[in-house]
Amino acid sequence: GAVVSQHPSRVICKSGTSVKIECRSLDFQATTMFWYRQFPKKSLMLMATSNEGSKATYEQGVEKDKFLINHASLTLSTLTVTSAHPEDSSFYICSAPGSGGTDTQYFGPGTRLTVL
Amino acid sequence: DAKTTQPTSMDCAEGRAANLPCNHSTISGNEYVYWYRQIHSQGPQYIIHGLKNNETNEMASLIITEDRKSSTLILPHATLRDTAVYYCIGGSSGSARQLTFGSGTQLTVLP
Repeated sequence: GAVVSQHPSRVICKSGTSVKIECRSLDFQATTMFWYRQFPKKSLMLMATSNEGSKATYEQGVEKDKFLINHASLTLSTLTVTSAHPEDSSFYICSAPGSGGTDTQYFGPGTRLTVL
Repeated sequence: DAKTTQPTSMDCAEGRAANLPCNHSTISGNEYVYWYRQIHSQGPQYIIHGLKNNETNEMASLIITEDRKSSTLILPHATLRDTAVYYCIGGSSGSARQLTFGSGTQLTVLP
């Protein structure tokens, strides 16, 4: 099946710094990718939809200036958490729709962000 | 997406069938039922989906009631590696759309 990778798998940073998370579709192209956030013992919450060649669309309550999304190519989307604070510590997961008519989403393995 | 209701948790003995229920009484006629699971600290994994007919693949079977108000995911021979949170999601067809995750069911397979 299709594979989506994320890098890094985990990152620890100091408060006030910025962190970039990459999401790649390894063997298929994705004009759309989705970014989710998951707090401990909670479900996944959609943050934004990343669109290749155009601006991302953000869910209500998600600050677009804090969570910068760039969909640079058909296989890469990046999420940058700017000026990270401890409350941004979470599990960030991306997904990409399958190609060829398959009605499934393929998820990355997730990135664990810890802000000290 | 249609609202779905699942039990918070379930246990199952290893080797036995795991039957995970989902209520989706408000699902509309063109909305599918999707099942994903999330093993601890990993990204979700697609399992199966269906509209009104029962479906089976190498991972599981999906039984949808005739009135489509509920469904059951069946893992025929559960293993310890099937321990995960299972999400039932109702929504229109088309993979190029975001998924709305509910609370899911924590399935624990016991040795």
